[in-house]
Amino acid sequence: DTEVTQTPKHLVMGMTNKKSLKCEQHMGHRAMYWYKQKAKKPPELMFVYSYEKLSINESVPSRFSPECPNSSLLNLHLHALQPEDSALYLCASSQGLAGASSYNEQFFGPGTRLTVL
Amino acid sequence: SQQGEEDPQALSIQEGENATMNCSYKTSINNLQWYRQNSGRGLVHLILIRSNEREKHSGRLRVTLDTSKKSSSLLITASRAADTASYFCATPVIGSGATNKLIFGTGTLLAVQP
Repeated sequence: DTEVTQTPKHLVMGMTNKKSLKCEQHMGHRAMYWYKQKAKKPPELMFVYSYEKLSINESVPSRFSPECPNSSLLNLHLHALQPEDSALYLCASSQGLAGASSYNEQFFGPGTRLTVL
Repeated sequence: SQQGEEDPQALSIQEGENATMNCSYKTSINNLQWYRQNSGRGLVHLILIRSNEREKHSGRLRVTLDTSKKSSSLLITASRAADTASYFCATPVIGSGATNKLIFGTGTLLAVQP
């Protein structure tokens, strides 16, 4: 299985709502990522988990809260978002091996299109 | 910003023609990767070229790398309508270790007219 799945595909939420995005992979990858992508822009890294521990937080506002319950799952909890947070949220994974082989490709999910009203 | 630059920003060609897009980056690299993104979808890894390689082929794709100029090009030969997508180059941040932090270029939007 070489697929990264994301749910839901689309999400519309109000600024007072709490919602969660989910990501799953069964490739045995040990590094998982959350990206945010605005229209016509490249993906911007938000968080990286390595071996289920948060290793990179790119100064993301606390209204975004990541969670890695196990090596296959990655969640992004959303609370009190702003309209400018509307974007495509992409999850990715990579082997996460140390050394030179660590700089290998990432596998992306199809994304969740988030609209904040 | 460490972000790479790509040109052209947009490219429109006819089916059967070749498409070339260029990427420039700013830091030393271990490898350079190219990804494709269909409209509103996830990214798909196309090809990876290591810093000690100058050229690499995969099917209709040809990638070159010039580390002295910090630049790379992606050539798609005999393009098809299905190649219509955005193409991004990406470079891992050396020292980011197993977490493989990628810096993406600005992207080229390719439209292949049938």
